[in-house]
Amino acid sequence: EAAVTQSPRNKVTVTGGNVTLSCRQTNSHNYMYWYRQDTGHGLRLIHYSYGAGNLQIGDVPDGYKATRTTQEDFFLLLELASPSQTSLYFCASSSAETLYFGSGTRLTVL
Amino acid sequence: AQSVTQPDARVTVSEGASLQLRCKYSYFGTPYLFWYVQYPRQGLQLLLKYYPGDPVVQGVNGFEAEFSKSNSSFHLRKASVHWSDWAVYFCAVNTGGLSGKLTFGEGTQVTVIS
Repeated sequence: EAAVTQSPRNKVTVTGGNVTLSCRQTNSHNYMYWYRQDTGHGLRLIHYSYGAGNLQIGDVPDGYKATRTTQEDFFLLLELASPSQTSLYFCASSSAETLYFGSGTRLTVL
Repeated sequence: AQSVTQPDARVTVSEGASLQLRCKYSYFGTPYLFWYVQYPRQGLQLLLKYYPGDPVVQGVNGFEAEFSKSNSSFHLRKASVHWSDWAVYFCAVNTGGLSGKLTFGEGTQVTVIS
């Protein structure tokens, strides 16, 4: 069973704050993804990566950076958080076009 | 643009009744389509996936979906709903080829009543 672990589960920050969301997968999948989930929009892709050091831009990248430090670890960075980034964030990895999701990080920007 | 639309934001169904969730896609070429389910306070899990071939695809927990190229649809069905099917269901299309990048629909919240 694919395992994708996200931390923290919940995060509250203030406008202008600096936030890092972490994701680790233990199945040596090449691809990893960051999505945000908002009511009425479903899941929207922020960034993705096909290996350490690689980064691909997704559909809603503005205000986000990401870094893939190893095959296992993928980080999402919000350097100047804004209230519009309040959302539920999911990390996923993929094998044979099937995505395996973490349990999500709920971020609130006050 | 390549996209997925789920026209029903919420569906309420009685336990034991049948369920159909609608999904319409827009895609140039042959689509690879997916249904994922999100149980309360969890991440998404794969229900089933369609690769070109038999238009009816079987999934887990008694779910199946039917692909229609003429209608640009990929509707999900279940013959008899159980209370444990209370969840949000997402339809998605692969828009990134081998990257596995998915474009999701808005999701349909299914509420099961007794």
